[in-house]
Amino acid sequence: ETGVTQTPRHLVMGMTNKKSLKCEQHLGHNAMYWYKQSAKKPLELMFVYSLEERVENNSVPSRFSPECPNSSHLFLHLHTLQPEDSALYLCASSQDSISYEQYFGPGTRLTVT
Amino acid sequence: KQEVTQIPAALSVPEGENLVLNCSFTDSAIYNLQWFRQDPGKGLTSLLLIQSSQREQTSGRLNASLDKSSGRSTLYIAASQPGDSATYLCAVHGQNFVFGPGTRLSVLP
Repeated sequence: ETGVTQTPRHLVMGMTNKKSLKCEQHLGHNAMYWYKQSAKKPLELMFVYSLEERVENNSVPSRFSPECPNSSHLFLHLHTLQPEDSALYLCASSQDSISYEQYFGPGTRLTVT
Repeated sequence: KQEVTQIPAALSVPEGENLVLNCSFTDSAIYNLQWFRQDPGKGLTSLLLIQSSQREQTSGRLNASLDKSSGRSTLYIAASQPGDSATYLCAVHGQNFVFGPGTRLSVLP
């Protein structure tokens, strides 16, 4: 596969569940990102990783926990979510976190019941 | 705190028209600005990236300009086609990555 892939594409979970979103990039990039896209709101940056180290965390609630085990993989661990967390979660990567364009995955549509 | 706005919020044009989408930002201390398109329920497709030192970038029928001092960028689409129908987003990379709310474009056959 090429580009940025995300699994699962759709996820429905209860508020007491624990689940994880997975992102993989096949572009040889060094930076990876998680974004949240809610209905009628602009995309919100959640986390930035550069060379597997977290470099930015935009005041995201602790019920979202990112993990970047290597430069190709990024996870978002979810636990005790709220219905307002329902959204499209998008992963992106870029050559570095400063100068290069970002490439996005197709997203995971999350519904919290 | 960087704020990004896009005008218009929605636009409907007949096929073949040339059109301009606008993006404004409040903090001119940026590294670059990127334009994307997003189809309904899908991820984002990168269109053009303009570095802060550049004035414009072109790709096919698309031309993006950047005026950092006035905090503005425009995306020009020539000879629009129904396949151009999508939401167009600009993203400003300064201290943070900040996206605009988008312009929803419909090109009618």
